Amino acid sequence: DTEVTQTPKHLVMGMTNKKSLKCEQHMGHRAMYWYKQKAKKPPELMFVYSYEKLSINESVPSRFSPECPNSSLLNLHLHALQPEDSALYLCASSQDEERTEAFFGQGTRLTVV
Amino acid sequence: GENVEQHPSTLSVQEGDSAVIKCTYSDSASNYFPWYKQELGKRPQLIIDIRSNVGEKKDQRIAVTLNKTAKHFSLHITETQPEDSAVYFCAASMRGFQKLVFGTGTRLLVSP
Repeated sequence: DTEVTQTPKHLVMGMTNKKSLKCEQHMGHRAMYWYKQKAKKPPELMFVYSYEKLSINESVPSRFSPECPNSSLLNLHLHALQPEDSALYLCASSQDEERTEAFFGQGTRLTVV
Repeated sequence: GENVEQHPSTLSVQEGDSAVIKCTYSDSASNYFPWYKQELGKRPQLIIDIRSNVGEKKDQRIAVTLNKTAKHFSLHITETQPEDSAVYFCAASMRGFQKLVFGTGTRLLVSP
């Protein structure tokens, strides 16, 4: 199984809503990542979890709150987002953060209204 | 930190032609150079990669070349097909996936 599964696939939320994005992998990978991708742009790294601990936060606003409940799951909690936060949010995983082979999930298309 | 430049931003070719996309990187410590293909609305998918101890790598119609001295690497697609149409991203890293820096992307359009 080389799948990284993200839910939901699409999400529309208001600026006062609280929602969560979920990411799951069963490859035994110990590094998991959140990326944000705007249209026609490359993915931008947001967070890295290594062995369930946050190892990198790329100066992401606090309205994005990551959580890694266990080695297979990664969540991204969203609160008080702005319309400019609308983007494709991609999760990825790799065996560990030093390895180069990684797998992306299909992404969650987020629209903030 | 690392900076990756990618050219061209768009590339249109006829089916059967070859396509070449070029990237330059700034940090000589970078040692891993992957290429990702992203179809509209889908995830980036790794199509080929090369490490700094290799000058060229080929996989069927796709090849990547690396010039460490000049700090540039290129993706070559031969006998292009309409299904090759996508956005292609190059990337560079000195330390695993966590340090991957992406190029700005090239939109490739292959016309039948």
